[in-house]
Amino acid sequence: DAGITQSPRHKVTETGTPVTLRCHQTENHRYMYWYRQDPGHGLRLIHYSYGVKDTDKGEVSDGYSVSRSKTEDFLLTLESATSSQTSVYFCAISRGLIETQYFGPGTRLLVL
Amino acid sequence: DQQVKQNSPSLSVQEGRISILNCDYTNSMFDYFLWYKKYPAEGPTFLISISSIKDKNEDGRFTVFLNKSAKHLSLHIVPSQPGDSAVYFCAASDRKSNFGNEKLTFGTGTRLTIIP
Repeated sequence: DAGITQSPRHKVTETGTPVTLRCHQTENHRYMYWYRQDPGHGLRLIHYSYGVKDTDKGEVSDGYSVSRSKTEDFLLTLESATSSQTSVYFCAISRGLIETQYFGPGTRLLVL
Repeated sequence: DQQVKQNSPSLSVQEGRISILNCDYTNSMFDYFLWYKKYPAEGPTFLISISSIKDKNEDGRFTVFLNKSAKHLSLHIVPSQPGDSAVYFCAASDRKSNFGNEKLTFGTGTRLTIIP
């Protein structure tokens, strides 16, 4: 299994509060991704990173920001959480943009 | 606009029989396709892939078929086992693209239940 951890694994928060999710990898892969999984939508890309301090938006980036200050860590921040951001969030890594992605165990976020 | 579609949200198959999961895509530029398997409370795990230069790829009990003219791929699992019960996602990318389509586009998933 690829060395990917996500923290926290579960979080309950209130609307309007900031939330930061962390993804940590031990594989030294260049690319890291944040997805959300929702019923009827599958996995949708939020943001991805192609190197330290290099990030780009995915298809559902509104309301989210990311940062990558070290190769091994990729942070996803909800500046002001909304109920529509209740979801399961997955981090993924890959050696290259067209290489197979490997996923972390997920973070279940509930915004009340 | 859903470029990758899995029209069957769920599928039930008897243990030992063949499971066939289907996936359709609309972007003719997609040239690489993958299947992921996901158990509850876990992340998706890579299962098998196929490049558009092939029409079949096999790995043990798992075979993926690609029909480019129909823009259709399928995953066959033979024989089906109880441990195959999971959600299966197909995904596609355009590996030649310089416009962002290199990234994976996922379908909505099919929940496979193997009946003992």
